[in-house]
Amino acid sequence: DAGITQSPRHKVTETGTPVTLRCHQTENHRYMYWYRQDPGHGLRLIHYSYGVKDTDKGEVSDGYSVSRSKTEDFLLTLESATSSQTSVYFCAIAAPPAYEQYFGPGTRLTVT
Amino acid sequence: KNEVEQSPQNLTAQEGEFITINCSYSVGISALHWLQQHPGGGIVSLFMLSSGKKKHGRLIATINIQEKHSSLHITASHPRDSAVYICAAFYNTDKLIFGTGTRLQVFP
Repeated sequence: DAGITQSPRHKVTETGTPVTLRCHQTENHRYMYWYRQDPGHGLRLIHYSYGVKDTDKGEVSDGYSVSRSKTEDFLLTLESATSSQTSVYFCAIAAPPAYEQYFGPGTRLTVT
Repeated sequence: KNEVEQSPQNLTAQEGEFITINCSYSVGISALHWLQQHPGGGIVSLFMLSSGKKKHGRLIATINIQEKHSSLHITASHPRDSAVYICAAFYNTDKLIFGTGTRLQVFP
């Protein structure tokens, strides 16, 4: 298995509070991704990174920000959590030339 | 709009049956990714292919570029194959568009 961990694995938080999820890799892959998975939807891209300090938005980026200050860590921040952000969040990594993606175990976030 | 559609959404089978899951996509993909998600949530990469066919154990993935279609086959299905199978297309080299998945249940 690719060395990807996510923390926390489960979190319950209240509406309006800030939340940061962490993705950590030991593979030295250049690309890192944050997705959310909701019933009835496929995995949807929130943000991704193509290098340290290089990030870009995905299709559902509103309400989320990211940071990547070193190769191994990619942080996803919900500045002010809302109930619509209750979801399972997956991190993935990839590297050229194949760009095959490897996924972390997921974080289940509940916003009450 | 770049889309990925899978069929069927749900599939049940008896142990030993041959399974086919279908995926169709819009023009212009560079590669197709098949993933497996078990109950409990972990997502595992099965195949990535841009042409022809790939085989790994009892799993076979094919892609037909002209017809914009890919299939995932499982031979001699087993209850441990029960999972959600996800098709995803690379429309740009570094980003994927995902289908909504096919839920497979294999009964003994």
